[in-house]
Amino acid sequence: QKEVEQDPGPLSVPEGAIVSLNCTYSNSAFQYFMWYRQYSRKGPELLMYTYSSGNKEDGRFTAQVDKSSKYISLFIRDSQPSDSATYLCAMASGSEKLVFGKGTKLTVNP
Amino acid sequence: GAVVSQHPSWVICKSGTSVKIECRSLDFQATTMFWYRQFPKQSLMLMATSNEGSKATYEQGVEKDKFLINHASLTLSTLTVTSAHPEDSSFYICSARVRSTLDGYTFGSGTRLTVV
Repeated sequence: QKEVEQDPGPLSVPEGAIVSLNCTYSNSAFQYFMWYRQYSRKGPELLMYTYSSGNKEDGRFTAQVDKSSKYISLFIRDSQPSDSATYLCAMASGSEKLVFGKGTKLTVNP
Repeated sequence: GAVVSQHPSWVICKSGTSVKIECRSLDFQATTMFWYRQFPKQSLMLMATSNEGSKATYEQGVEKDKFLINHASLTLSTLTVTSAHPEDSSFYICSARVRSTLDGYTFGSGTRLTVV
């Protein structure tokens, strides 16, 4: 079993839809959780960072962590075509090493 | 914000030749830089951690003699793919820590390497 599992999609939604992206993990030592957005042929950029169970909101984005289920989610409200990208979850146990999911490719259609 | 500049953005080379990729921190000093490889539809895989002035630490399964990393200054780290082969074709990305917390990483824009 891989440490981090993420459905690669692709996921295609109409503009304005609510998008739900998810990752599961097996390593209970993971304490820090991040979501990155990666446009085609570009490096990832950090969207959300959290280290506790519960929800964290930033504009149209909400990150949710459930440590008991080892499950994290990213919700995008009122999705826009500019949100079309690959979304990667990443986790860390406290060392400096990040472990990434495969990424989910999202397309928001106008 | 902190910027990591990575060059070249893409490169095509012949099998057997070597390719150097540069990663520069433009407005901050990066004592530690990270090199990742990303295959299509796969996650970023950490290859090595590069520390200024010392030898890089390679992840298990990564050939240190094939992927030479040099971090000679606080603003520059280089990855040289030696004797490249088609299976080395991939997307290579560097990252640097701007601050000590885990949200303090910034990534370069990546280098698409194609070995023919």
